[in-house]
Amino acid sequence: QVTLKESGPGILQPSQTLSLTCSFSGFSLSTSGICVSWIRQPSGKGLEWLATICWEDSKGYNPSLKNRLTISKDTSNNQAFLKITSVDTADTAIYYCARRYSYYGYFDYWGQGVMVTVSS
Amino acid sequence: DIVLTQSPALAVSLGQRATISCKTNQNVDYYGNSYMHWYQQKPGQQPKLLIYLASNLASGIPARFSGRGSGTDFTLTIDPVEADDTATYYCQQSRNLPTFGAGTKLELK
Repeated sequence: QVTLKESGPGILQPSQTLSLTCSFSGFSLSTSGICVSWIRQPSGKGLEWLATICWEDSKGYNPSLKNRLTISKDTSNNQAFLKITSVDTADTAIYYCARRYSYYGYFDYWGQGVMVTVSS
Repeated sequence: DIVLTQSPALAVSLGQRATISCKTNQNVDYYGNSYMHWYQQKPGQQPKLLIYLASNLASGIPARFSGRGSGTDFTLTIDPVEADDTATYYCQQSRNLPTFGAGTKLELK
């Protein structure tokens, strides 16, 4: 059974760094073809892909946020991480992690999401 | 970026057919596959994969859902529509860096 669960700070102030953790089970990030991605959704709006990390440690970033994003993984502990620097109110959203099947690029399992609010 | 365009909303009657469209500004076909996928999102829930590679039903998804299309034009069909299908439906391409459509909200008449 594949599950993913996001965790984060809940609230943070503008200019701070957002650190998110995705803890997963039922698969391994060392398996060929497996990736984990981060996707966010502001309240009442659509989905925005942020970043992906794959089994062989390749990484991809949304060009519109690339300079602010860092994705990483801890394969031994079945976790993936995302850092976003210099947050502002526009980064307020639900953040999801999702398993991505690398070769075809669809997101087949999603976490429940974690709400992050940026406010002074 | 590959831009995906969806109609904002669609209203259908119970038991009827719903057809949701997604058009892209670039071809998303590659070596015989169409890199287009569909998701359902209900309020307060995470998205759920319905269709992958344009026409393949994801695990556990009822056969009322189907997808078709190629190149730049794709459709998701729900037939017949049930009350539980009220949700927002998103298309997503993976030919290049992933992008999503803005979503189509399916409502019942």
